Amino acid sequence: GQNIDQPTEMTATEGAIVQINCTYQTSGFNGLFWYQQHAGEAPTFLSYNVLDGLEEKGRFSSFLSRSKGYSYLLLKELQMKDSASYLCAVRDRTGGYNKLIFGAGTRLAVHP
Amino acid sequence: DVKVTQSSRYLVKRTGEKVFLECVQDMDHENMFWYRQDPGLGLRLIYFSYDVKMKEKGDIPEGYSVSREKKERFSLILESASTNQTSMYLCASIFMGGQGFGESPLHFGNGTRLTVT
Repeated sequence: GQNIDQPTEMTATEGAIVQINCTYQTSGFNGLFWYQQHAGEAPTFLSYNVLDGLEEKGRFSSFLSRSKGYSYLLLKELQMKDSASYLCAVRDRTGGYNKLIFGAGTRLAVHP
Repeated sequence: DVKVTQSSRYLVKRTGEKVFLECVQDMDHENMFWYRQDPGLGLRLIYFSYDVKMKEKGDIPEGYSVSREKKERFSLILESASTNQTSMYLCASIFMGGQGFGESPLHFGNGTRLTVT
């Protein structure tokens, strides 16, 4: 089966660094995505990993370890606007079709 | 910019009604998806389509059907709406090249919040 786990809620201080972890189990792993979703809005794409290692995009970085079924999203220099839900999603190719399976999301609250 | 448009932002329907949720994308994407999003459960895949007239069940297809008569349009149908189908529904599309998506992300519509009373 497929399973994606991430913490439900996190809090952090403006200017700090926060790491959001994601663990997954899937038989047809074909890439991992992170999305940001503000309340009442659609998810927007943040990052993509398919090989092991760190991908950096400005203040956001994402790491993947395929052997451990583990990823994290690192947010640096936190801003108030970073308060949102962060969704970990695994692309699975079981059955011959690519589909994106989402975790339940981590709600991040950034405080002054 | 890719635009995925869902026809209604908010919808209120009665139990037993037939409900159509429409989604249109303007980037000639082959793949389209319907998800529902509920607190604590995240986004769950209902159905997806990889081409015109093609459809595949996702993880929670029961109580739903879909239609893809044209490439740009993917409709979700609730044959007989029930209160447990009250949810936020999100449509998404993606370009699929070759064997997979590469790093092409899903593009989401703004969602339809459906309430069934």
